[in-house]
Amino acid sequence: ETGVTQSPTHLIKTRGQQVTLRCSSQSGHNTVSWYQQALGQGPQFIFQYYREEENGRGNFPPRFSGLQFPNYSSELNVNALELDDSALYLCASTFRDRGAGELFFGEGSRLTVL
Amino acid sequence: DQQVKQNSPSLSVQEGRISILNCDYTNSMFDYFLWYKKYPAEGPTFLISISSIKDKNEDGRFTVFLNKSAKHLSLHIVPSQPGDSAVYFCAAGPGGTSYGKLTFGQGTILTVHP
Repeated sequence: ETGVTQSPTHLIKTRGQQVTLRCSSQSGHNTVSWYQQALGQGPQFIFQYYREEENGRGNFPPRFSGLQFPNYSSELNVNALELDDSALYLCASTFRDRGAGELFFGEGSRLTVL
Repeated sequence: DQQVKQNSPSLSVQEGRISILNCDYTNSMFDYFLWYKKYPAEGPTFLISISSIKDKNEDGRFTVFLNKSAKHLSLHIVPSQPGDSAVYFCAAGPGGTSYGKLTFGQGTILTVHP
């Protein structure tokens, strides 16, 4: 069983640029959630995708957007990067119809905005 | 507005003793609660969960207690081992179709000394 994989693991951008982060969900999972973890904080929910549609969003501006593909992989796009966007971005997958809500996380993509 | 709080940033325990990590929440709509463990450079790993209809759940050395009236949950690790040293996050989520939309606490750094 393949776990959740994310790419890239590290990247550096400058303010105003755009970034795309990628996630392959765990085999058999149909739901992907994205989280932002700032230094010293817990992960914060950005949004979730189920069956290629956004299924809930946290307190993040519209410049944070995403996609889910038919194979359940996903992308997180952030436009007009700001310094405060520097964080670890975590992707998590689950099989929604199973219940319990347990999420399986990838190792994350660490974004630094200069 | 922190709906899930872990008031102890760190905890130090001797090997073989009990570790007790605490978490408080404010949102009465939370339906299930989870604990995650995170090592550096890795994504969070699921440990144990409990639904709001229970007050206790055990899995080996790990036990989670839920006190709904106090809006408080705790994780007990007995006996503690050096390999348990990590950051522990509690998380809470609504039920139904909101799987994967978790609210996390800030984390508690557990150090288990040999």
